[in-house]
Amino acid sequence: GENVEQHPSTLSVQEGDSAVIKCTYSDSASNYFPWYKQELGKRPQLIIDIRSNVGEKKDQRIAVTLNKTAKHFSLHITETQPEDSAVYFCAACKAGGTSYGKLTFGQGTILTVHP
Amino acid sequence: KAGVTQTPRYLIKTRGQQVTLSCSPISGHRSVSWYQQTPGQGLQFLFEYFSETQRNKGNFPGRFSGRQFSNSRSEMNVSTLELGDSALYLCASSGKNSPLHFGNGTRLTVT
Repeated sequence: GENVEQHPSTLSVQEGDSAVIKCTYSDSASNYFPWYKQELGKRPQLIIDIRSNVGEKKDQRIAVTLNKTAKHFSLHITETQPEDSAVYFCAACKAGGTSYGKLTFGQGTILTVHP
Repeated sequence: KAGVTQTPRYLIKTRGQQVTLSCSPISGHRSVSWYQQTPGQGLQFLFEYFSETQRNKGNFPGRFSGRQFSNSRSEMNVSTLELGDSALYLCASSGKNSPLHFGNGTRLTVT
């Protein structure tokens, strides 16, 4: 089955700095890679996703890059703010049609943004 | 549009008991997935249902089961509870070209 490794497990940055979280996956059949943000006591929320036919996607201060050959993808957050502090999870799955349900998650990265 | 709704939010059970958790997906979503979240194991896939059929299953013992109804609502059941079953159980729904969105979860504590 799929295996997703996520690094680093903790990341501490100063407000305004950039943060990068990296994930690798094992199953070359995986074609969908979402990122979720989970604040303390809350549900994971989808913040950005990328499909295997795209190399990069950006949404305001957040971007995701995908290298299919190397089987790794990364989350980039620019101009970090204290409210970006949370646990971030990467995930991978073989999605198609209505099937996005069987995600394999990384172990999570605790991001702390210091004011 | 209402999000994914899970009930109850909190549950305390004793070892050996069984429990049923409920999930109502986002309107129009026909796929419902369940995940277990623990500090040690992270987020782990339990199963996925689509049109009342189990489409995928994770590596959990047979004590964990689920079902989906014709209105896409889903339930999961855990029988013969063990201390290690204490976790946050998250339900998520997805639809055509609409990726996975999670509910707030049910926090299960087994004593």
